[in-house]
Amino acid sequence: KAGVTQTPRYLIKTRGQQVTLSCSPISGHRSVSWYQQTPGQGLQFLFEYFSETQRNKGNFPGRFSGRQFSNSRSEMNVSTLELGDSALYLCASSLAGGPGDTQYFGPGTRLTVL
Amino acid sequence: DAKTTQPNSMESNEEEPVHLPCNHSTISGTDYIHWYRQLPSQGPEYVIHGLTSNVNNRMASLAIAEDRKSSTLILHRATLRDAAVYYCIPGGSSNYQLIWGAGTKLIIKP
Repeated sequence: KAGVTQTPRYLIKTRGQQVTLSCSPISGHRSVSWYQQTPGQGLQFLFEYFSETQRNKGNFPGRFSGRQFSNSRSEMNVSTLELGDSALYLCASSLAGGPGDTQYFGPGTRLTVL
Repeated sequence: DAKTTQPNSMESNEEEPVHLPCNHSTISGTDYIHWYRQLPSQGPEYVIHGLTSNVNNRMASLAIAEDRKSSTLILHRATLRDAAVYYCIPGGSSNYQLIWGAGTKLIIKP
């Protein structure tokens, strides 16, 4: 079974621009979560989608948004990029996002904001 | 929200057992305890999880204290490939795997 894939793997943007990252979950998985990882803050939860609905949201500004499609693929968007948005963005999928479900992570998208 | 406390780093010799502790004294009765690890330049990967009983799989064992306030991840015979940051994550219906601490950086010495 193919793992979680994320595209692109690397991205360089300038301040003020916007960016869209894509995540394809494992086949059959309906829950997709997004995380931001930086050296200073560690791994921080952004949001979780299940059946095209945002079910959980972390403490990030409204510039960070996401969506999930009917095939469970998900995208996240960051508008008006700031230098501090430079990070590794990780996507994880699970069957249903329940307490006992295992999350499977993709390799991440490395975003650099100049 | 349940919070966890883990040592910042630990060292172990290759081919010796490793015991990685985690304190989760505020965990609720329905929260699972998940362990993930992150190798350099990779996304986290699942290691093991449990609710009340000790658990074993091909990668590791998880020993959960009777009061569930702490748990220990056991790598029976560490290899250099086990060098990673290990995260202990509580997973419940209200905060499913939302809170990730700094984890424990495991250093394996050859």
